[in-house]
Amino acid sequence: NAGVTQTPKFQVLKTGQSMTLQCAQDMNHEYMSWYRQDPGMGLRLIHYSVGAGITDQGEVPNGYNVSRSTTEDFPLRLLSAAPSQTSVYFCASSYSGRKGYTFGSGTRLTVV
Amino acid sequence: QQQVKQSPQSLIVQKGGISIINCAYENTAFDYFPWYQQFPGKGPALLIAIRPDVSEKKEGRFTISFNKSAKQFSLHIMDSQPGDSATYFCAASTSNTGKLIFGQGTTLQVKP
Repeated sequence: NAGVTQTPKFQVLKTGQSMTLQCAQDMNHEYMSWYRQDPGMGLRLIHYSVGAGITDQGEVPNGYNVSRSTTEDFPLRLLSAAPSQTSVYFCASSYSGRKGYTFGSGTRLTVV
Repeated sequence: QQQVKQSPQSLIVQKGGISIINCAYENTAFDYFPWYQQFPGKGPALLIAIRPDVSEKKEGRFTISFNKSAKQFSLHIMDSQPGDSATYFCAASTSNTGKLIFGQGTTLQVKP
């Protein structure tokens, strides 16, 4: 099993550009989430989903969109990149709300 | 508003010593409390978790102590080893939503 796969691993964007961070899992997990990690801030929840067709906002959703058309995929879209979105982004998935989340290896995004 | 507060931010322990990291939460709807370990350049990995119906859970050298009335929980690492040097995150969720909220993280250094 590949687990949680995130692409790309690194990305540099110019301010105002848009892009999609890809996340795929092959464990048939219903729960999926996106986090951003910044020094001293821990992991902050951006958006999460409890199944295909169902998404909800987390702690820091502004500037990001998500959709969940399949169980396997949960892409994160940056609508108009800003330097404040420079961060490491992690996607995670879980079988249920009472099981641990499995994290991907992250995408390091720099917005210049 | 930080829903899960973690302390200390950093910790230095001698090899063989006990490492203690503390977390506090406000939302009484939280019913799942995991701890994650993260090495540089990697995604967080589930270390150990507890539910509020027990006061302690032990797995090897790692123990979670849980105080429901005080809304606090802590991670104890016994016989700390240099290989334990990593960043540790506490987290909390309401299992029916899958919304997992993290603390700010603790960077642990175990000196040989």
